[in-house]
Amino acid sequence: SQKIEQNSEALNIQEGKTATLTCNYTNYSPAYLQWYRQDPGRGPVFLLLIRENEKEKRKERLKVTFDTTLKQSLFHITASQPADSATYLCARTGYNKLIFGAGTRLAVHP
Amino acid sequence: GAGVSQSPRYKVTKRGQDVALRCDPISGHVSLYWYRQALGQGPEFLTYFNYEAQQDKSGLPNDRFSAERPEGSISTLTIQRTEQRDSAMYRCASSLEQGLQVTEAFFGQGTRLTVV
Repeated sequence: SQKIEQNSEALNIQEGKTATLTCNYTNYSPAYLQWYRQDPGRGPVFLLLIRENEKEKRKERLKVTFDTTLKQSLFHITASQPADSATYLCARTGYNKLIFGAGTRLAVHP
Repeated sequence: GAGVSQSPRYKVTKRGQDVALRCDPISGHVSLYWYRQALGQGPEFLTYFNYEAQQDKSGLPNDRFSAERPEGSISTLTIQRTEQRDSAMYRCASSLEQGLQVTEAFFGQGTRLTVV
């Protein structure tokens, strides 16, 4: 089956450091990946979309990479802040719908 | 309103009852999606519409679940003869264009369904 997997363990980092979250996919090569942020009790909020031929996409302190050889996308938050603490969801687009991973919870400590 | 609106926010129902969950997408958005989300998990696809046409219902768990979007705007997800395993957060999302390859999805706050 076509799976999209994220590290289920929470990521704890110190304020100011770079957070790196991983999204792996198996058995297929998605042409597009999207990243969302979800705060407790709220719906996911779109952050970035990357196409397989883009390799890297940036938006302010956020950076997403797409490595089709490793079948992996990395999501980086530089100069992290406690306000960045949330769950981050990776999603592949397929047949006009989003298929989400389980998400990785990020906690940024002062 | 400016965002995707879902109602009710919370619904507690007795096992065996039918429930209807409503989604009002962002005005002008062509596509509407229903997802279900368990605690600690990502949203799980249920079904989606382009305008009033249901394009994909492959994620609906069984025939107790149905959805409609008769006028291409507001959508209703109906669960008949509810069971305790149906308890979850149900989320609606909409997108401006067809095809999420190039466009983002906007999610509502969700309806928390509890079947007792």
